Amino acid sequence: EAQVTQNPRYLITVTGKKLTVTCSQNMNHEYMSWYRQDPGLGLRQIYYSMNVEVTDKGDVPEGYKVSRKEKRNFPLILESPSPNQTSLYFCASSYLAGGLNEQFFGPGTRLTVL
Amino acid sequence: EDKVVQSPLSLVVHEGDTVTLNCSYEVTNFRSLLWYKQEKKAPTFLFMLTSSGIEKKSGRLSSILDKKELFSILNITATQTGDSAVYLCAVEPMNRDDKIIFGKGTRLHILP
Repeated sequence: EAQVTQNPRYLITVTGKKLTVTCSQNMNHEYMSWYRQDPGLGLRQIYYSMNVEVTDKGDVPEGYKVSRKEKRNFPLILESPSPNQTSLYFCASSYLAGGLNEQFFGPGTRLTVL
Repeated sequence: EDKVVQSPLSLVVHEGDTVTLNCSYEVTNFRSLLWYKQEKKAPTFLFMLTSSGIEKKSGRLSSILDKKELFSILNITATQTGDSAVYLCAVEPMNRDDKIIFGKGTRLHILP
């Protein structure tokens, strides 16, 4: 089944404790992206990746890192989480070529930073 | 600055009513406009629009794009309680190095 998976789905942590949210897709998509969703602010892009070893900042990259060592994986790293990073996070992927612009979203990760 | 604006932000109607959701955009080098439905989980894809004046239809949902006036509408006829969701509009630029821009969404609630 074609899908985007994220882990964990729920995470409660404390300020300053490094964490990683994994994202994996099985559709051989080149483009992957991380979003955060907050009430009243909608979906905002954190980082995106056009292909392996190619990443770029989105709208709200501060406090986050990403890596794209393999095509299927795009982990989101919070080196020193802070309470303002409490949010719902979505990973998404899509084809780059062929005009298929539908983004496939993961199930979401709800992060609470105390 | 590129932006996507959706209206209304919130809408409550009775089952059976028809609703129209609006999405206007200001984006350099437009490629496509996408509509998503989001319930309690990740957004699910509804439509992709690239050409003006061509209506896309799926059941009770339809959407059309006006590239001259820079907006799109999403229509839902004979609404049902299962249509209650947040509807997201997003615009993809022509340059794939540029990011996709999402609107803040319209929260639709259908009363039984």
